Amino acid sequence: DGGITQSPKYLFRKEGQNVTLSCEQNLNHDAMYWYRQDPGQGLRLIYYSQIVNDFQKGDIAEGYSVSREKKESFPLTVTSAQKNPTAFYLCASKGQLNSPLHFGNGTRLTVT
Amino acid sequence: SQQGEEDPQALSIQEGENATMNCSYKTSINNLQWYRQNSGRGLVHLILIRSNEREKHSGRLRVTLDTSKKSSSLLITASRAADTASYFCANPQETSGSRLTFGEGTQLTVNP
Repeated sequence: DGGITQSPKYLFRKEGQNVTLSCEQNLNHDAMYWYRQDPGQGLRLIYYSQIVNDFQKGDIAEGYSVSREKKESFPLTVTSAQKNPTAFYLCASKGQLNSPLHFGNGTRLTVT
Repeated sequence: SQQGEEDPQALSIQEGENATMNCSYKTSINNLQWYRQNSGRGLVHLILIRSNEREKHSGRLRVTLDTSKKSSSLLITASRAADTASYFCANPQETSGSRLTFGEGTQLTVNP
């Protein structure tokens, strides 16, 4: 089945360590997104990519980095510079112009 | 910054009743989208209404859009316990639709 796979579902790290969250899609979508969700809140855009080898900062990009070397993959690295990294991270992709987003099931990151 | 705002923040009803959630936005849009999120999961797209549409139906869902008031509503008729979830509205920030801004959501609880 076509879809978006995020792994792992749960991730635990010590403060000061970088961590990379995986996002893979087989929907042949050009655009991919990373959102952060905190308890009881909406989604905030971290980074997005509209095409391979190109990406743009979202509203809360500080402390995060991404790459888009392949159409299918858009990994997110949470660096030690991110002050409050514990959150639920959601990856999404989108096909043609003004079409809806397709989401993965998220990765819950806990940093202690 | 988040542009969409849902109202109410939380809604609790009995099975069989109707649930109405409202969304306001600040900028001009070419479409508005509604999503559902079950606890701990990714978002699922429910319905997209274009700026030239006033009402749209999908099963037990009815969405209205009033561009003069910059508002939309989602009505779920004959609710079921399985409808318990968070519901978000989202609108593209640009005409390209590449950036989607989400509200903070309405937490709907349907009691059996």
